[in-house]
Amino acid sequence: AQSVTQLGSHVSVSEGALVLLRCNYSSSVPPYLFWYVQYPNQGLQLLLKYTTGATLVKGINGFEAEFKKSETSFHLTKPSAHMSDAAEYFCAVSDRDNQGGKLIFGQGTELSVKP
Amino acid sequence: DAGVIQSPRHEVTEMGQEVTLRCKPISGHDYLFWYRQTMMRGLELLIYFNNNVPIDDSGMPEDRFSAKMPNASFSTLKIQPSEPRDSAVYFCASSLQSGARGANVLTFGAGSRLTVL
Repeated sequence: AQSVTQLGSHVSVSEGALVLLRCNYSSSVPPYLFWYVQYPNQGLQLLLKYTTGATLVKGINGFEAEFKKSETSFHLTKPSAHMSDAAEYFCAVSDRDNQGGKLIFGQGTELSVKP
Repeated sequence: DAGVIQSPRHEVTEMGQEVTLRCKPISGHDYLFWYRQTMMRGLELLIYFNNNVPIDDSGMPEDRFSAKMPNASFSTLKIQPSEPRDSAVYFCASSLQSGARGANVLTFGAGSRLTVL
């Protein structure tokens, strides 16, 4: 069965500092991988996804993630944090057959950005 | 498109009452998902539909929960009777089946926050 582990339920960075949110997955075959962001009292929004091809994926708001098969990881990074990045971030996986986009989510990482 | 529309946004009810949550997916999308979010369990998939047909309801916690999709533009999630442990945010999401090389992307609604007293 697939699973996702996000290391660190809370991450705090200073404005302008590097953001690194960690995600490891467990799957018998390389899955599709996603990062979603949830702002307070809102639904989840897609940040980026990896399906095939280039392992470094760029998303919205300056975020990117790199698929590393050997490490079964899909960590999310942003070179310089902005106050508006404060939110909860979810890593998710789906099967290659995708089943309409059925996702298994990690527990989430809350990102705080200090001025 | 207005996106995925959920109602009500907030519901406060007493234990034992029936609760009905509603979802209007994005027009043309052929998959619809119901997720539940709690602090303790995170985001859990409850059930999903393809072309209005339930495909997998293994995540529905108990017989008190039921979901229907009578047509392509409407779905309900019903809890009867409700219990305090059902308090959570319930999300509806929809997607369109992509091509063979693609991956469906879920579009989420804003959620329905349920509090059962």
